[in-house]
Amino acid sequence: QKEVEQNSGPLSVPEGAIASLNCTYSDRVSQSFFWYRQYSGKSPELIMSIYSNGDKEDGRFTAQLNKASQYVSLLIRDSQPSDSATYLCAVNTPRAGGTSYGKLTFGQGTILTVHP
Amino acid sequence: DGGITQSPKYLFRKEGQNVTLSCEQNLNHDAMYWYRQDPGQGLRLIYYSQIVNDFQKGDIAEGYSVSREKKESFPLTVTSAQKNPTAFYLCASSIVRLMNTEAFFGQGTRLTVV
Repeated sequence: QKEVEQNSGPLSVPEGAIASLNCTYSDRVSQSFFWYRQYSGKSPELIMSIYSNGDKEDGRFTAQLNKASQYVSLLIRDSQPSDSATYLCAVNTPRAGGTSYGKLTFGQGTILTVHP
Repeated sequence: DGGITQSPKYLFRKEGQNVTLSCEQNLNHDAMYWYRQDPGQGLRLIYYSQIVNDFQKGDIAEGYSVSREKKESFPLTVTSAQKNPTAFYLCASSIVRLMNTEAFFGQGTRLTVV
């Protein structure tokens, strides 16, 4: 099983619709969860971070975390053509022994296309 | 301006050559990372470092080496032992604590074997 898995794409939605991106992770001790957006040929850009169970909203973006199910998702409301990109889920897992820092592992990414 | 600087942006390597990719940050971050990205793929972790003079192998460390002599710098050497080095290489850094450990990326180096 991969450490971080994202729903297979590509995902295509019409402008104005809600895009839903999903991610599961394998290590129960994972503490921090991130969504990055990557435009073609560019480096990833952080768009959301979430650390506690529940929802976190920032503008048109909502991240949802369920640690019991080891599941994190990203909803993009009122999708725009400028949202067309690859979305990467990343998970930070502490090292054994409880130190604060661990590996930051990425999923394979989901390509999102928003068509007018 | 604070940030992460990778150089060069494009790099060409001949078969059998070692090449070194530069990564410098002025964000005062303790942790630094190197990732490799192949076309249509996610990011795979090569090496990471939490403090000066300490680093750990990631998932695909074979054929690569790193050093962390200064907090600001984390260069990656792609050795001749790396059989398929053509890829997009990304350096990132973050603070070290339990929460708010967002990682920020440089602009990347695109390495091509010629």
